[in-house]
Amino acid sequence: GAVVSQHPSRVICKSGTSVKIECRSLDFQATTMFWYRQFPKQSLMLMATSNEGSKATYEQGVEKDKFLINHASLTLSTLTVTSAHPEDSSFYICSAEGQGGYEQYFGPGTRLTVT
Amino acid sequence: TQLLEQSPQFLSIQEGENLTVYCNSSSVFSSLQWYRQEPGEGPVLLVTVVTGGEVKKLKRLTFQFGDARKDSSLHITAAQPGDTGLYLCAGREGAQKLVFGQGTRLTINP
Repeated sequence: GAVVSQHPSRVICKSGTSVKIECRSLDFQATTMFWYRQFPKQSLMLMATSNEGSKATYEQGVEKDKFLINHASLTLSTLTVTSAHPEDSSFYICSAEGQGGYEQYFGPGTRLTVT
Repeated sequence: TQLLEQSPQFLSIQEGENLTVYCNSSSVFSSLQWYRQEPGEGPVLLVTVVTGGEVKKLKRLTFQFGDARKDSSLHITAAQPGDTGLYLCAGREGAQKLVFGQGTRLTINP
């Protein structure tokens, strides 16, 4: 149980275009999902907290108009990187909160490369 | 924002040796999780500790939560090459957010 999937696993896009990343909880309902960004050889940095049916809460320094988050159902959250730039290239990981309320289960990550 | 200091950040040892990774903070966490991450993959939850002083064992891995719930340790006995990876501790801040340590990159040499 507690499986989280992400799609796509890898994406390459041109500068100026937008990219959508999906995060799904496959076998449980998640009212709260989280989006992280991880640079090479570094730890995870929380970007935003996504709550089903309401607006996402963004961490300080994260542009909400650039990183659009939608959590339309209890099993799906999406992150759209708008007008992507090469500096947006990174490993994006989502997580979903387990029903016990203590744990977060992570997706396999999405490697975004902006050329 | 609560900070988690993880040490060491890098550790390379021989197969069969024991090791301990530490996770420290000046703040109290309601719970603390340990994750292991392989390159190009998401973190995988190893354990959650909730109660001060709690000790949990997972085969050769022993996790301990400090009495004051400010620190935690991960001890691996008789390390094997398959234990190689990035180990992350994460404390739960408030009601929802996890705060991650910098990670410990562990390499076990055959």
